[in-house]
Amino acid sequence: DAKTTQPNSMESNEEEPVHLPCNHSTISGTDYIHWYRQLPSQGPEYVIHGLTSNVNNRMASLAIAEDRKSSTLILHRATLRDAAVYYCILRDRSSGSARQLTFGSGTQLTVLP
Amino acid sequence: DAGITQSPRHKVTETGTPVTLRCHQTENHRYMYWYRQDPGHGLRLIHYSYGVKDTDKGEVSDGYSVSRSKTEDFLLTLESATSSQTSVYFCAISDPGQVSYEQYFGPGTRLTVT
Repeated sequence: DAKTTQPNSMESNEEEPVHLPCNHSTISGTDYIHWYRQLPSQGPEYVIHGLTSNVNNRMASLAIAEDRKSSTLILHRATLRDAAVYYCILRDRSSGSARQLTFGSGTQLTVLP
Repeated sequence: DAGITQSPRHKVTETGTPVTLRCHQTENHRYMYWYRQDPGHGLRLIHYSYGVKDTDKGEVSDGYSVSRSKTEDFLLTLESATSSQTSVYFCAISDPGQVSYEQYFGPGTRLTVT
């Protein structure tokens, strides 16, 4: 599986936007970019995914570089509840839903009041 | 929230004893997974199932077995627990009909082997 690189930790102020970067220079043409987050003492939860185009949903936006070698998860207004570990994961779209998710160490986001 | 429950939520057991963890879903999703999470590691896949009685090994399957006799239940068994299996165990489900292929995770089971 192609590897992703994320900063170990980031801080943000409450109600400000947060940009979480992810590098994936060895991404293949069949890899989706997925983001999950894990709140304290909970299981991971899906945030968003994309392939080539930028994506928006109720939780966040995903900006994908034109060469797809990096992406950025954008939280438009951070809240205290957004404090979590954020994982950027590449998932081969040709493998079907049964393929495992390979979690790295993620980015620990701290939101300051 | 996806209907996934795990039982027990916490367990302390002694080395050498058998342990079974249960994952139960009410979503009728076809795929189910068991992961473990340890400090300094992300989640690692132990076993997964792509249908009733159809299972396969993941990245860290040694020392674990699984069974799936019904769509809604996926059991993880440690035949003879060791201290290295002290971890938090997460169950997840997914459905091939979902375009996003997202996995939904349960609340986790914290297992301590003394």
